[in-house]
Amino acid sequence: AQSVSQHNHHVILSEAASLELGCNYSYGGTVNLFWYVQYPGQHLQLLLKYFSGDPLVKGIKGFEAEFIKSKFSFNLRKPSVQWSDTAEYFCAASPRAGTASKLTFGTGTRLQVTL
Amino acid sequence: DTAVSQTPKYLVTQMGNDKSIKCEQNLGHDTMYWYKQDSKKFLKIMFSYNNKELIINETVPNRFSPKSPDKAHLNLHINSLELGDSAVYFCASSKRGAPGTEGNTIYFGEGSWLTVV
Repeated sequence: AQSVSQHNHHVILSEAASLELGCNYSYGGTVNLFWYVQYPGQHLQLLLKYFSGDPLVKGIKGFEAEFIKSKFSFNLRKPSVQWSDTAEYFCAASPRAGTASKLTFGTGTRLQVTL
Repeated sequence: DTAVSQTPKYLVTQMGNDKSIKCEQNLGHDTMYWYKQDSKKFLKIMFSYNNKELIINETVPNRFSPKSPDKAHLNLHINSLELGDSAVYFCASSKRGAPGTEGNTIYFGEGSWLTVV
Protein backbone atom coordinates (compact mmCIF):
# COMPACT_ATOMS: atom_id res chain seq x y z
CA ALA A 1 0.00 0.00 0.00
CA GLN A 2 1.14 3.49 -0.72
CA SER A 3 2.17 5.66 2.20
CA VAL A 4 3.81 9.02 2.79
CA SER A 5 5.89 9.81 5.88
CA GLN A 6 6.80 13.17 7.30
CA HIS A 7 9.05 12.62 10.27
CA ASN A 8 9.23 16.23 11.45
CA HIS A 9 5.97 16.92 13.19
CA HIS A 10 6.79 20.35 14.54
CA VAL A 11 9.67 22.57 13.45
CA ILE A 12 10.53 25.90 15.03
CA LEU A 13 12.90 28.25 13.21
CA SER A 14 13.98 31.84 13.52
CA GLU A 15 13.43 34.18 10.60
CA ALA A 16 16.13 33.93 7.95
CA ALA A 17 17.03 30.37 8.96
CA SER A 18 17.14 27.71 6.27
CA LEU A 19 14.41 25.12 6.09
CA GLU A 20 14.34 21.49 5.10
CA LEU A 21 11.29 19.34 5.71
CA GLY A 22 11.57 15.63 5.14
CA CYS A 23 9.18 13.54 3.08
CA ASN A 24 9.53 9.87 2.21
CA TYR A 25 7.11 7.79 0.23
CA SER A 26 6.55 4.10 -0.05
CA TYR A 27 5.27 2.75 -3.32
CA GLY A 28 6.30 0.05 -5.74
CA GLY A 29 5.97 2.08 -8.92
CA THR A 30 6.65 5.59 -10.13
CA VAL A 31 4.88 8.41 -8.38
CA ASN A 32 3.82 12.00 -8.72
CA LEU A 33 4.82 14.10 -5.72
CA PHE A 34 3.37 17.25 -4.24
CA TRP A 35 3.82 19.70 -1.41
CA TYR A 36 0.82 21.58 -0.12
CA VAL A 37 0.77 24.37 2.47
CA GLN A 38 -2.06 25.23 4.83
CA TYR A 39 -1.83 28.64 6.50
CA PRO A 40 -3.68 29.01 9.82
CA GLY A 41 -7.41 28.84 9.26
CA GLN A 42 -7.06 28.49 5.51
CA HIS A 43 -7.31 25.84 2.83
CA LEU A 44 -4.55 23.80 1.28
CA GLN A 45 -2.60 25.48 -1.47
CA LEU A 46 -0.28 23.77 -3.90
CA LEU A 47 3.35 24.80 -3.33
CA LEU A 48 4.97 22.65 -5.98
CA LYS A 49 4.70 19.37 -7.80
CA TYR A 50 6.91 16.83 -9.50
CA PHE A 51 5.76 14.63 -12.35
CA SER A 52 8.94 13.92 -14.31
CA GLY A 53 12.08 15.59 -15.64
CA ASP A 54 14.41 17.75 -13.57
CA PRO A 55 14.30 16.33 -10.02
CA LEU A 56 14.82 19.79 -8.55
CA VAL A 57 11.47 21.50 -8.62
CA LYS A 58 10.87 25.15 -7.88
CA GLY A 59 7.55 26.29 -6.49
CA ILE A 60 5.91 29.43 -5.26
CA LYS A 61 7.17 31.71 -2.48
CA GLY A 62 10.80 30.64 -2.88
CA PHE A 63 10.25 26.97 -2.03
CA GLU A 64 11.90 24.13 -3.84
CA ALA A 65 11.97 20.36 -3.49
CA GLU A 66 14.29 17.67 -4.69
CA PHE A 67 13.18 14.24 -5.79
CA ILE A 68 15.78 11.60 -4.92
CA LYS A 69 14.55 8.35 -6.36
CA SER A 70 17.14 6.18 -4.61
CA LYS A 71 16.03 7.51 -1.23
CA PHE A 72 12.31 7.62 -2.02
CA SER A 73 12.41 11.19 -0.80
CA PHE A 74 10.99 14.55 -1.82
CA ASN A 75 12.27 17.03 0.75
CA LEU A 76 11.07 20.62 0.81
CA ARG A 77 13.60 23.42 1.18
CA LYS A 78 13.74 27.17 1.50
CA PRO A 79 17.01 29.07 1.98
CA SER A 80 15.60 31.76 4.26
CA VAL A 81 12.22 31.48 5.96
CA GLN A 82 9.96 34.36 6.85
CA TRP A 83 7.48 34.75 9.67
CA SER A 84 4.71 34.48 7.08
CA ASP A 85 5.84 30.93 6.28
CA THR A 86 4.32 29.76 9.56
CA ALA A 87 1.91 27.05 8.44
CA GLU A 88 1.26 23.34 8.16
CA TYR A 89 3.06 21.62 5.29
CA PHE A 90 1.81 18.43 3.69
CA CYS A 91 3.66 16.11 1.38
CA ALA A 92 1.51 13.96 -0.91
CA ALA A 93 2.00 11.28 -3.53
CA SER A 94 -0.06 9.60 -6.22
CA PRO A 95 0.86 6.66 -8.44
CA ARG A 96 2.03 7.74 -11.89
CA ALA A 97 -0.21 5.14 -13.48
CA GLY A 98 -3.24 6.01 -11.39
CA THR A 99 -5.49 9.00 -11.07
CA ALA A 100 -5.52 11.92 -8.71
CA SER A 101 -8.08 9.98 -6.68
CA LYS A 102 -5.29 7.96 -5.12
CA LEU A 103 -3.48 10.96 -3.68
CA THR A 104 -2.10 10.02 -0.28
CA PHE A 105 -1.06 12.67 2.23
CA GLY A 106 1.56 12.62 4.92
CA THR A 107 0.61 13.60 8.45
CA GLY A 108 1.91 17.12 8.00
CA THR A 109 4.69 19.21 9.53
CA ARG A 110 3.85 22.28 11.51
CA LEU A 111 6.37 25.05 10.85
CA GLN A 112 6.59 27.88 13.33
CA VAL A 113 8.81 30.82 12.39
CA THR A 114 9.76 33.18 15.19
CA LEU A 115 10.83 36.78 14.83
CA ASP B 1 -12.91 34.37 -8.38
CA THR B 2 -12.68 31.40 -6.03
CA ALA B 3 -11.96 28.24 -8.02
CA VAL B 4 -13.39 25.74 -5.52
CA SER B 5 -15.90 27.23 -3.13
CA GLN B 6 -17.66 25.63 -0.17
CA THR B 7 -20.47 26.76 2.06
CA PRO B 8 -20.80 27.16 4.93
CA LYS B 9 -17.29 27.89 6.14
CA TYR B 10 -18.25 27.40 9.78
CA LEU B 11 -21.01 25.20 11.11
CA VAL B 12 -21.85 24.47 14.74
CA THR B 13 -24.67 22.01 15.29
CA GLN B 14 -26.05 19.61 17.85
CA MET B 15 -25.68 15.87 17.89
CA GLY B 16 -28.36 14.06 15.97
CA ASN B 17 -28.96 16.87 13.47
CA ASP B 18 -28.70 16.51 9.69
CA LYS B 19 -26.57 19.02 7.82
CA SER B 20 -25.24 19.65 4.32
CA ILE B 21 -22.10 21.24 2.97
CA LYS B 22 -22.17 22.54 -0.57
CA CYS B 23 -19.28 22.67 -3.01
CA GLU B 24 -18.91 24.23 -6.43
CA GLN B 25 -15.93 24.47 -8.76
CA ASN B 26 -15.57 26.79 -11.73
CA LEU B 27 -12.41 25.23 -13.12
CA GLY B 28 -14.17 23.01 -15.62
CA HIS B 29 -12.79 19.94 -13.86
CA ASP B 30 -14.37 16.53 -14.28
CA THR B 31 -13.47 15.04 -10.91
CA MET B 32 -14.47 16.25 -7.46
CA TYR B 33 -13.61 15.02 -3.99
CA TRP B 34 -14.42 15.30 -0.34
CA TYR B 35 -11.59 15.08 2.17
CA LYS B 36 -11.80 15.04 5.96
CA GLN B 37 -9.12 16.64 8.11
CA ASP B 38 -9.23 15.54 11.73
CA SER B 39 -8.03 17.37 14.83
CA LYS B 40 -4.50 16.06 14.25
CA LYS B 41 -4.50 17.60 10.78
CA PHE B 42 -4.57 14.19 9.10
CA LEU B 43 -6.16 14.37 5.65
CA LYS B 44 -8.10 11.44 4.29
CA ILE B 45 -10.19 11.09 1.18
CA MET B 46 -13.85 10.28 1.71
CA PHE B 47 -15.39 10.31 -1.75
CA SER B 48 -14.48 10.96 -5.34
CA TYR B 49 -16.87 11.69 -8.20
CA ASN B 50 -16.08 11.78 -11.89
CA ASN B 51 -18.70 13.41 -14.11
CA LYS B 52 -21.37 12.87 -11.46
CA GLU B 53 -20.47 9.23 -10.95
CA LEU B 54 -19.10 7.90 -7.69
CA ILE B 55 -15.66 6.36 -8.23
CA ILE B 56 -14.21 6.23 -4.76
CA ASN B 57 -16.04 5.62 -1.52
CA GLU B 58 -13.62 5.06 1.31
CA THR B 59 -14.62 3.54 4.62
CA VAL B 60 -17.06 6.22 5.63
CA PRO B 61 -20.24 5.71 7.69
CA ASN B 62 -23.32 5.59 5.50
CA ARG B 63 -24.59 8.64 7.41
CA PHE B 64 -22.40 10.53 4.94
CA SER B 65 -23.96 10.79 1.50
CA PRO B 66 -22.43 12.77 -1.36
CA LYS B 67 -24.64 14.13 -4.10
CA SER B 68 -23.46 15.46 -7.45
CA PRO B 69 -26.22 17.21 -9.42
CA ASP B 70 -23.73 18.10 -12.16
CA LYS B 71 -20.00 17.87 -12.64
CA ALA B 72 -19.41 21.33 -11.17
CA HIS B 73 -21.11 20.53 -7.85
CA LEU B 74 -20.53 17.94 -5.15
CA ASN B 75 -22.51 18.34 -1.96
CA LEU B 76 -22.01 16.40 1.25
CA HIS B 77 -24.99 15.50 3.39
CA ILE B 78 -24.49 14.15 6.88
CA ASN B 79 -27.29 12.49 8.84
CA SER B 80 -27.50 12.01 12.59
CA LEU B 81 -24.35 13.97 13.36
CA GLU B 82 -22.04 12.59 16.04
CA LEU B 83 -19.36 14.27 18.14
CA GLY B 84 -16.67 12.42 16.18
CA ASP B 85 -17.82 14.08 12.97
CA SER B 86 -16.29 17.33 14.16
CA ALA B 87 -13.56 18.09 11.64
CA VAL B 88 -12.68 20.26 8.70
CA TYR B 89 -14.16 19.01 5.44
CA PHE B 90 -12.41 19.99 2.24
CA CYS B 91 -13.91 19.84 -1.19
CA ALA B 92 -11.47 19.53 -4.08
CA SER B 93 -11.36 19.02 -7.81
CA SER B 94 -9.02 17.96 -10.59
CA LYS B 95 -9.04 17.54 -14.34
CA ARG B 96 -9.47 14.11 -15.78
CA GLY B 97 -6.08 13.87 -17.39
CA ALA B 98 -3.56 11.26 -18.30
CA PRO B 99 -1.34 10.09 -15.46
CA GLY B 100 1.62 12.31 -14.83
CA THR B 101 -0.08 15.34 -16.27
CA GLU B 102 -1.99 18.32 -14.93
CA GLY B 103 -4.88 15.91 -14.37
CA ASN B 104 -3.10 14.63 -11.33
CA THR B 105 -3.13 17.94 -9.45
CA ILE B 106 -5.92 18.43 -6.95
CA TYR B 107 -7.14 21.92 -6.07
CA PHE B 108 -8.78 22.43 -2.69
CA GLY B 109 -11.58 24.60 -1.44
CA GLU B 110 -11.25 26.71 1.70
CA GLY B 111 -12.71 24.08 4.00
CA SER B 112 -15.81 23.83 6.14
CA TRP B 113 -15.21 23.76 9.90
CA LEU B 114 -17.87 21.49 11.39
CA THR B 115 -18.30 21.38 15.15
CA VAL B 116 -20.80 18.98 16.67
CA VAL B 117 -21.82 19.75 20.26
